Amino acid sequence: SAVISQKPSRDICQRGTSLTIQCQVDSQVTMMFWYRQQPGQSLTLIATANQGSEATYESGFVIDKFPISRPNLTFSTLTVSNLSPEDSSIYLCSAHLGNTIYFGEGSWLTVV
Amino acid sequence: QKEVEQNSGPLSVPEGAIASLNCTYSDRGSQSFFWYRQYSGKSPELIMFIYSNGDKEDGRFTAQLNKASQYVSLLIRDSQPSDSATYLCAVNRGGGFKTIFGAGTRLFVKA
Repeated sequence: SAVISQKPSRDICQRGTSLTIQCQVDSQVTMMFWYRQQPGQSLTLIATANQGSEATYESGFVIDKFPISRPNLTFSTLTVSNLSPEDSSIYLCSAHLGNTIYFGEGSWLTVV
Repeated sequence: QKEVEQNSGPLSVPEGAIASLNCTYSDRGSQSFFWYRQYSGKSPELIMFIYSNGDKEDGRFTAQLNKASQYVSLLIRDSQPSDSATYLCAVNRGGGFKTIFGAGTRLFVKA
C-alpha cells in the first residue's frame, strides 16, 4: 500500500479566491488522480495527473478551473480557482499502485 | 446509463446477519473491480479487489464477479455495527487505470 498525505485537511475560503491542495505520496507512482466528492455524493474523477506532461481532464472539468501540477513521481497539486459555493466539496488525491488506487485523507473545502 | 450502478440503500441488516451489496457496470472492457468502505467524514478505504470471475474471500468479506452479467457483489458475513458505512463499488474503465465509482450503498447494521 501507499501512504498519501494531503494538505490542507480542511479550509474555509472566500468566493472568488483560489485554493491549492498538495498531495505527497511516500513512494514513486506513475499515476495520480484527483477526485471530488460533493456532499452526499460519490467520487467523481476530475483528472489524471501525469508526470512530465499535461493533466488529462474528465468531461465537465477544465484546466482553467482546476489547474494541476505534477513536478515529480511523488507529488501533485490541484488548484481550485475562482471559488464559488458550488465548489464546496471534499477533494481527494489518489495514487495508483500495483492494480489498486489508494486515497489520501481528503481536503474538506467550504466556500463562503 | 451510469458506468457503475449501485442501489443507494439504505440497506439495514441485524447484527450477525449476512449483508449483500450489489453493483453492475456498463463497460465490458473493465478488468479490475474494487470495493471501498467509507465512514462518514472519512476518505474511502479499500476492502477488496477482484479480477477474475468467481468468488474471492478475505475474512468476513467475499467479493463475487460475473463478467458475462457485468455484475459484482460484496457479501459481509457476521455483520457488525462497526460495518455500518457507505460501500463504494469501483471499476477500472476500459481495463485502464482510471477508476470510476458507483454512488455507494449505505449499510446499517443494527445491534
